[in-house]
Amino acid sequence: TQLLEQSPQFLSIQEGENLTVYCNSSSVFSSLQWYRQEPGEGPVLLVTVVTGGEVKKLKRLTFQFGDARKDSSLHITAAQPGDTGLYLCAGRIDQNFVFGPGTRLSVLP
Amino acid sequence: GAGVSQSPSNKVTEKGKDVELRCDPISGHTALYWYRQSLGQGLEFLIYFQGNSAPDKSGLPSDRFSAERTGGSVSTLTIQRTQQEDSAVYLCASSLVGPSTDTQYFGPGTRLTVL
Repeated sequence: TQLLEQSPQFLSIQEGENLTVYCNSSSVFSSLQWYRQEPGEGPVLLVTVVTGGEVKKLKRLTFQFGDARKDSSLHITAAQPGDTGLYLCAGRIDQNFVFGPGTRLSVLP
Repeated sequence: GAGVSQSPSNKVTEKGKDVELRCDPISGHTALYWYRQSLGQGLEFLIYFQGNSAPDKSGLPSDRFSAERTGGSVSTLTIQRTQQEDSAVYLCASSLVGPSTDTQYFGPGTRLTVL
């Protein structure tokens, strides 16, 4: 069983649509990170959230850390083909980060 | 400056053979991590090096897996007597200090296929 669950597993949408992907756990994390990974490359960090209830915005991306620090969401407004990729969340426990299985997003032009 | 580099980019081997995967971290980064990424799975933590401290090997799946970091820089992940279930992308990352809230910079990975 995964310590971190992500949903949906796959998502295919048209350019211009909005979407939200979720990262859930029964564990409490001291911080949580979101990464985007493109084929043949390593993950690239998008954001780190630390405080329960924290909301961070990065252009069209909005990240929220749950009040109990067990879950997080990533909302993308007006998705573009360049947003296509694998979105991974990673929760910090002690000195290590535990990664979820990812949401594979495809934005069609 | 250059990012994290890994070699080879692809490795195909036969079951039972040993393989070595190399990681060159970003210059000056004291922390180095190895992860394994299988299809449909998240990144699985393998091992973590921090400066001259003893490495955190808690994620290594079996004693066939080992890693070294020479001179606090280049790291080699060795898999002995490879099995088909070892097939995966092996990712290396480095960070300036450690895993607290520091940013991990990932290399492109080595795709290992065990036939």
